[in-house]
Amino acid sequence: NAGVTQTPKFQVLKTGQSMTLQCAQDMNHNSMYWYRQDPGMGLRLIYYSASEGTTDKGEVPNGYNVSRLNKREFSLRLESAAPSQTSVYFCASKWMGNTGELFFGEGSRLTVL
Amino acid sequence: DAKTTQPNSMESNEEEPVHLPCNHSTISGTDYIHWYRQLPSQGPEYVIHGLTSNVNNRMASLAIAEDRKSSTLILHRATLRDAAVYYCILRAYGGSQGNLIFGKGTKLSVKP
Repeated sequence: NAGVTQTPKFQVLKTGQSMTLQCAQDMNHNSMYWYRQDPGMGLRLIYYSASEGTTDKGEVPNGYNVSRLNKREFSLRLESAAPSQTSVYFCASKWMGNTGELFFGEGSRLTVL
Repeated sequence: DAKTTQPNSMESNEEEPVHLPCNHSTISGTDYIHWYRQLPSQGPEYVIHGLTSNVNNRMASLAIAEDRKSSTLILHRATLRDAAVYYCILRAYGGSQGNLIFGKGTKLSVKP
C-alpha cells in the first residue's frame, strides 16, 4: 500500500521556468491538499480539494495553480518559478469529515535559482 | 481556527515519559485537538486527536484539561525514534476542510 506518492522528490529550476508537482493517493480519499514548508517553519496550506471536481485557495496560493485530475491525483503547477518558491512541498490526503487524519507524502524539495 | 502555543523545544531521556504541553485558551466548543509529528526529512504523521475526554492509542496519550484551554501529549517511554517536531492543532468541526494550520511546533530531542 503506497499511500501518498509525490513526484519528483527533488527538482532544481531557474527563475521563470515552469513545472508541475504530481501527487497520487491510493486510499480512496476524498480530500487532497498541497502544503509548503520553509526552513524552520511549520506547514502552510497552498491549495486544497475537498472532493473531486473542486479546488480552493489556502493561505499562500499566489504563484501556484492546481488541478484535481481525478479522485486519485492532485497536481500543483508553478507557471513562472521564483526564488521565493524554494521550499519543500507536501501533498496530503484525507478520507472525509473534519476529524479524519491527514496522510502525507514524503515531500518534494524544490530549489529555484 | 483558534491559535495554539507550544514550547519551541524540549529534551527527554530515552525510555522516560515525555509530556508535551499545548495551550489553546481561545478554543471553542466545536474545536478538536489534533497532534501530528514530523520526523526529520519526512512528511508529518498523525499521532492522536480528541475533543473533551482523554484519549489513548498505540502511539501516545492525550490529556485534555477540564476547561479545554490546554492539553498534553504524553509519550509513555520515549525512544530515539520519537525525536521529531510535534504539532498541536485545533480543527473546528464543521469548519472549512482546508484550515488545518500547522504552527512551528515543539522540537523534541531524545538523549540515549
